Amino acid sequence: AQTVTQSQPEMSVQEAETVTLSCTYDTSESDYYLFWYKQPPSRQMILVIRQEAYKQQNATENRFSVNFQKAAKSFSLKISDSQLGDAAMYFCAYRSASTGNQFYFGTGTSLTVIP
Amino acid sequence: ETGVTQTPRHLVMGMTNKKSLKCEQHLGHNAMYWYKQSAKKPLELMFVYSLEERVENNSVPSRFSPECPNSSHLFLHLHTLQPEDSALYLCASSRETSGYYNEQFFGPGTRLTVL
Repeated sequence: AQTVTQSQPEMSVQEAETVTLSCTYDTSESDYYLFWYKQPPSRQMILVIRQEAYKQQNATENRFSVNFQKAAKSFSLKISDSQLGDAAMYFCAYRSASTGNQFYFGTGTSLTVIP
Repeated sequence: ETGVTQTPRHLVMGMTNKKSLKCEQHLGHNAMYWYKQSAKKPLELMFVYSLEERVENNSVPSRFSPECPNSSHLFLHLHTLQPEDSALYLCASSRETSGYYNEQFFGPGTRLTVL
């Protein structure tokens, strides 16, 4: 089975600064999807950003961008101009493009934003 | 209501009780999922339903029994649980179970405590 590793259990960032959350994954497949999900305290998990493995261009959603390094199997999330509302657990997830049903999640990174 | 809703939000039960968790999605999706979220562990996929048929059962103990009466509703019936089953149970839905459009939308979860 594929594994997703988030090596940073906790991170903190000063408001308005930039922070990068790391994620690595293990797979033998060439076609897959990668996701970052955000889970604020006591609130629903929501999708932050998605990357298709066949696309070389890094995905960007407003202040959120990824650094996708396919050969290194690395998928980091960069949050620019951090805001208090960015404080949450962030989960990296992998899904095969062929099998489909199974999402593989990392253990999460708890992000604190310091005013 | 919009999105994915779950009831109850909190549940405390004894090991001999029988209870049910309910999930409802208002997004017109065809697939629904149950996940178990425990602290410091990756999300564990429990069950996947596509068009009301179970397509995935990840070796979940029989004390957890899912039911999907239609594409909008998903239940998780619980009986004779163990204290280690205490966790946050998340429901999710997606338009499809594969392909680009299987981005998952999550409910707020049910915090289950087994005494």
